[in-house]
Amino acid sequence: AQSVTQPDIHITVSEGASLELRCNYSYGATPYLFWYVQSPGQGLQLLLKYFSGDTLVQGIKGFEAEFKRSQSSFNLRKPSVHWSDAAEYFCAVAISSGSARQLTFGSGTQLTVLP
Amino acid sequence: NAGVTQTPKFRVLKTGQSMTLLCAQDMNHEYMYWYRQDPGMGLRLIHYSVGEGTTAKGEVPDGYNVSRLKKQNFLLGLESAAPSQTSVYFCASRGQGKSYEQYFGPGTRLTVT
Repeated sequence: AQSVTQPDIHITVSEGASLELRCNYSYGATPYLFWYVQSPGQGLQLLLKYFSGDTLVQGIKGFEAEFKRSQSSFNLRKPSVHWSDAAEYFCAVAISSGSARQLTFGSGTQLTVLP
Repeated sequence: NAGVTQTPKFRVLKTGQSMTLLCAQDMNHEYMYWYRQDPGMGLRLIHYSVGEGTTAKGEVPDGYNVSRLKKQNFLLGLESAAPSQTSVYFCASRGQGKSYEQYFGPGTRLTVT
C-alpha cells in the first residue's frame, strides 16, 4: 500500500537558519509528489509539486524540494527561515484510484521559528 | 473568485444528532474530496467525487454520507454523530488536468459531545 512518512513531528529552528523537512514515500509507480503548508486555523496551501523532469523543484515563499528516487525521498528545504514560516507542513503523494488521483498525506511536521 | 468555501466554520453537536457540511467551489472543477484531520494523523480521505452525480468511498467512510447533486457543491452528512467524529473537516477540489493539484477550503471544526 502507498504511504508517506514524515519522520519529524516537530522541528524548531532560529530565524535566518536553514531548514530541511524530511519526507519518504512508498509507491510502486512514478510518484506525483507535493508539499503543502497549513498556517494555524487555515486550509492547506500548495508550496510545490514534482511530476517529472528536473529533480530539484522550486516553489513559493523561497522553498525548494529535491526528488531522490534511489532514497524514495522528497525533502523540503529553505536556505533562510522567516518567522512567518512557522506552520505545519505536509508531504503528499498522488495515487491512482480508478478515475481519480487521490492524495495520501504524511502525518505532518510542525515548524517553530525562534526569534 | 472565492475558490473553495465551507459552511459552517465551527459546529458543536451532541451524540446522535445529525448535520450536513457544505462545500462549494467556483472553479468548475470535476473532482471534489472530503478529508478529516486529526492530530498526528495528517489528512485522511473520507469520500470523493469524480463528477456531478458520482460519489466514492475513501479511506475512512464509515459514519458519513455524501452527495454531489450539483457540480459546484459537495455535501458531507453525519446521520448520527459520535464523539469519534470530532475533527477538522476539509474539502478540496481539482480540475481534470494532469497536475493533480488539489485546492483546499478553510476547514470546519466539529466537536461532538
